[in-house]
Amino acid sequence: GENVEQHPSTLSVQEGDSAVIKCTYSDSASNYFPWYKQELGKRPQLIIDIRSNVGEKKDQRIAVTLNKTAKHFSLHITETQPEDSAVYFCQGAQKLVFGQGTRLTINP
Amino acid sequence: DAGVIQSPRHEVTEMGQEVTLRCKPISGHDYLFWYRQTMMRGLELLIYFNNNVPIDDSGMPEDRFSAKMPNASFSTLKIQPSEPRDSAVYFCATSGGASTGELFFGEGSRLTVL
Repeated sequence: GENVEQHPSTLSVQEGDSAVIKCTYSDSASNYFPWYKQELGKRPQLIIDIRSNVGEKKDQRIAVTLNKTAKHFSLHITETQPEDSAVYFCQGAQKLVFGQGTRLTINP
Repeated sequence: DAGVIQSPRHEVTEMGQEVTLRCKPISGHDYLFWYRQTMMRGLELLIYFNNNVPIDDSGMPEDRFSAKMPNASFSTLKIQPSEPRDSAVYFCATSGGASTGELFFGEGSRLTVL
């Protein structure tokens, strides 16, 4: 089956700094690369996604970059704020497998 | 649309009891997924349906677990008999596509088996 590896498992940054989370996948047929955010006690929700025909997508302070050759995609959060504290998950497309999650903590 | 609706939100039961979790999908979504979330194993796909037909149940842990989707508006996940290691949050999610497109999650059912 598809293998999806996400790093780091925990990340702590100062408010205002940037955060980067990386996801590596194994299925070369994958063509859809989403990131989900899960706040404590709540459901996962999509925050940004990218399809294989583009290399980067931005939405205000968040962006996703894709390297199909190396089979990885990354979530970038700039100017981090306290409300960015959450667990972030990447997802592999073919078998709908989620990465193990990254717990992001924004320190004031 | 009210989104994906799950019930119950919380369930506490004793080992050996039957547990039934319910999900009402977003109208018009052809795909329905059941996930289990634990600290140790993260988000695991248990089973998914397309147009009410089970497509992949390879994630169902064992015969104690079963899932049905009798119509486009309702799905159940049943555990019989339940065991303490089944304690987890169970999410139902729906989508307009299997391998691409946003997953819309319900609020989850938190199951505790004593």
